[in-house]
Amino acid sequence: QQPVQSPQAVILREGEDAVINCSSSKALYSVHWYRQKHGEAPVFLMILLKGGEQKGHEKISASFNEKKQQSSLYLTASQLSYSGTYFCGTAPQGGSEKLVFGKGTKLTVNP
Amino acid sequence: DVKVTQSSRYLVKRTGEKVFLECVQDMDHENMFWYRQDPGLGLRLIYFSYDVKMKEKGDIPEGYSVSREKKERFSLILESASTNQTSMYLCASSFWGGYTFGSGTRLTVV
Repeated sequence: QQPVQSPQAVILREGEDAVINCSSSKALYSVHWYRQKHGEAPVFLMILLKGGEQKGHEKISASFNEKKQQSSLYLTASQLSYSGTYFCGTAPQGGSEKLVFGKGTKLTVNP
Repeated sequence: DVKVTQSSRYLVKRTGEKVFLECVQDMDHENMFWYRQDPGLGLRLIYFSYDVKMKEKGDIPEGYSVSREKKERFSLILESASTNQTSMYLCASSFWGGYTFGSGTRLTVV
């Protein structure tokens, strides 16, 4: 079942923060996050595993709440280069490599 | 860096044609995938392969088949192309981690 992402779209000014949520109705083993810029392939950002720690770099990080089957992506002090569509991909328990992707969240960062 | 190469960036085919989409990866990855991407629907899994000659249906396999004769190559076959198969097709590979996607093939069936 496809995970639900929220919000569908968000517009920011450079330097503002954003949170993108991903929620599944199934128990999850892992959550992936990807960013896709217009006309390009999705690019892997990070993976969160069941029982693992919060991942990320200084300004882009993510958390995974296994009990709630939810993940959130945090973008801090956004830059123009953060613009794109963000997808979460979820893998069910059992360790399958097959991901089911959400419909995406379009992030626009303006100067 | 892992490279996933899709043979065509754009394709236009006629209804009823048999269509082959090719994907090659250069990092010895076990897992390969075919997704289609449509506006508002996100990425939907068509087929998945976890080893040579091994395949598994995804969420929308109808009208498609796949072939994996060599580890590095995963082909998607549209047996008889239809207009509702007009879409962006993305190939990906992984080895128990993040996916690496190819740049996609935009297929138009007329």
